[in-house]
Amino acid sequence: DTEVTQTPKHLVMGMTNKKSLKCEQHMGHRAMYWYKQKAKKPPELMFVYSYEKLSINESVPSRFSPECPNSSLLNLHLHALQPEDSALYLCASSPLGTARGLRYGYTFGSGTRLTVV
Amino acid sequence: AQSVSQHNHHVILSEAASLELGCNYSYGGTVNLFWYVQYPGQHLQLLLKYFSGDPLVKGIKGFEAEFIKSKFSFNLRKPSVQWSDTAEYFCAVTGNAGKSTFGDGTTLTVKP
Repeated sequence: DTEVTQTPKHLVMGMTNKKSLKCEQHMGHRAMYWYKQKAKKPPELMFVYSYEKLSINESVPSRFSPECPNSSLLNLHLHALQPEDSALYLCASSPLGTARGLRYGYTFGSGTRLTVV
Repeated sequence: AQSVSQHNHHVILSEAASLELGCNYSYGGTVNLFWYVQYPGQHLQLLLKYFSGDPLVKGIKGFEAEFIKSKFSFNLRKPSVQWSDTAEYFCAVTGNAGKSTFGDGTTLTVKP
């Protein structure tokens, strides 16, 4: 079992819907990440939160809105998505958000498989 | 900018064969290097990592990787693969900006 829990595991939404993805970790990690992964492709970084503050936004469209309510939780709010946004959305955490902290690598969640219809 | 190149897109081996997956990176500064594995239907898991010290690092499940600075390489090896090693393998590099870049991945199929 992964120590990073993502819910829901699967989500089907229409282009006019609003939904949220949730990620939770209780390892005391202070950096959390959202990645997007298309089939047979590597994960692509979307957002980085370090000490509950957004530190990196990889030019992600505004229809994706991240939120970090506390050090254990990370949300991704979705609105007016397009079919091409269908993908596996991965949450990850690492002990620290700094380059030094990233020496330990990521702990990934199982992901939310999102289908936009 | 940092980048990662994995040369083998799909590798097919028989059980007990030896494995070597290539990974080359491009980055001008100090790097942290990783190999992740994604078994069918499962999440990404860290196999091993390197950031300093002995360039030959050992990971879980009998995997090892060697960092060769002069060649900008971090190849993954296993002396004898098993059917259960069938998975997608990703090489990743993290630079000082705190961002990780993943290679395109190598699909390993081990035939029983």
